[in-house]
Amino acid sequence: SQQGEEDPQALSIQEGENATMNCSYKTSINNLQWYRQNSGRGLVHLILIRSNEREKHSGRLRVTLDTSKKSSSLLITASRAADTASYFCATDAERGSTLGRLYFGRGTQLTVWP
Amino acid sequence: NAGVTQTPKFQVLKTGQSMTLQCAQDMNHEYMSWYRQDPGMGLRLIHYSVGAGITDQGEVPNGYNVSRSTTEDFPLRLLSAAPSQTSVYFCASSFRGLGSYNEQFFGPGTRLTVL
Repeated sequence: SQQGEEDPQALSIQEGENATMNCSYKTSINNLQWYRQNSGRGLVHLILIRSNEREKHSGRLRVTLDTSKKSSSLLITASRAADTASYFCATDAERGSTLGRLYFGRGTQLTVWP
Repeated sequence: NAGVTQTPKFQVLKTGQSMTLQCAQDMNHEYMSWYRQDPGMGLRLIHYSVGAGITDQGEVPNGYNVSRSTTEDFPLRLLSAAPSQTSVYFCASSFRGLGSYNEQFFGPGTRLTVL
């Protein structure tokens, strides 16, 4: 399976602190994406990093990708209570028969306390 | 644009009943997919479609049927509901044309309980 695995499963921090979540995967990828899911809602795309990129920023989000270690990290700086959600990494298979499928991890539950 | 819509939001079925979960998107996306989400399991792919008339199985297809007669609609049919199909179901779509990177847009989900 190419499923990504997030670490930690749960993370609890205070507002203003930084939150770091990690994702590991098993096989070569086209790109890696991070999604956010608020309780009881659908997933929302946050950021995508291509396999030839090492770092990407979007607002308070910073994503890194290390293809040699098959791992990625998502950093949320200056966390807010509104960042409380589950965060999922998803990998897009390198070109081949499974093109178009995303493989999701089990998610990290982030709780940010006011 | 409404994005990806799903109906119903909630459904309770008895074992053995059949039903169809509806999914529609108005973004002209070629790729559509159905996932189920269970506690501690993340999202698992049930079926997907790369265009009208083309469907394929995902990781957990047993007990589900799909069809794709139009670009917009991708219904998921439960043939004979079982308690193991109690879950939250998400439909997603993405653009797969030149220059796309398969960012997926998700619907709000259908919470299904099978008694």
